[in-house]
Amino acid sequence: VQVVETGGGLIQPGGSLRLSCAASGFIVSSNCMTWVRQAQGKGLEWVSLIYGDRSTYYADSVKGRFTISRDNSKSTVYLQMNNLRTADTAVYYCLPCGANSVWGQGILVTVSS
Amino acid sequence: QAVVTQEPSLTVSPGGAVTLTCASSTGAVTSGHYPYWFQQKPGQAPRTLIYDTNNKHSWTPARFSGSLLGGRAALTLSGALPEDEADYYCLISYGVTWVFGGGTKLTVL
Repeated sequence: VQVVETGGGLIQPGGSLRLSCAASGFIVSSNCMTWVRQAQGKGLEWVSLIYGDRSTYYADSVKGRFTISRDNSKSTVYLQMNNLRTADTAVYYCLPCGANSVWGQGILVTVSS
Repeated sequence: QAVVTQEPSLTVSPGGAVTLTCASSTGAVTSGHYPYWFQQKPGQAPRTLIYDTNNKHSWTPARFSGSLLGGRAALTLSGALPEDEADYYCLISYGVTWVFGGGTKLTVL
């Protein structure tokens, strides 16, 4: 079981980024998947969740700006991040739920002008 | 939104035992909250020690165990090693929202 996050980088406030989480070793379509972030020197923060039935949920801090989705054929989960704020600067991790809850290396998103 | 509370810091002696707890502002933590426990060492990504209250991964050392204790999720470390010094986070599922605790800094001294 493995997940690899890609798509981070430096973006100006108000900009958009799409993070990808490529999963292997388990079936993405039948597993819930979450995105978690961690700002430098801070704790872990839950960001978003997609269940096997494709229902999606978001933390209040990102609701209306972030969208989680899944491409079963690619075993990949995405996090579309719009209207980014400096407070969104963090390392973002993709975390499968339950028995498949392995962490990737994370991907840094820096929102700065 | 629910608040999940952990002890900010704990100290355990080498070879000793310690229990970290995770409390929910909404009431008792149950198995229906599917509590997780994660370990994070400086400069590293977290790793999952416990999922769904008391289930271990293949890499979870036997000295760690998860349980429910007095309405809280609990992570017990028995026989602490210096390498167990780390930050520990719990995660509680409320179905439509998940909430992390603020983390416990565990010192082995």
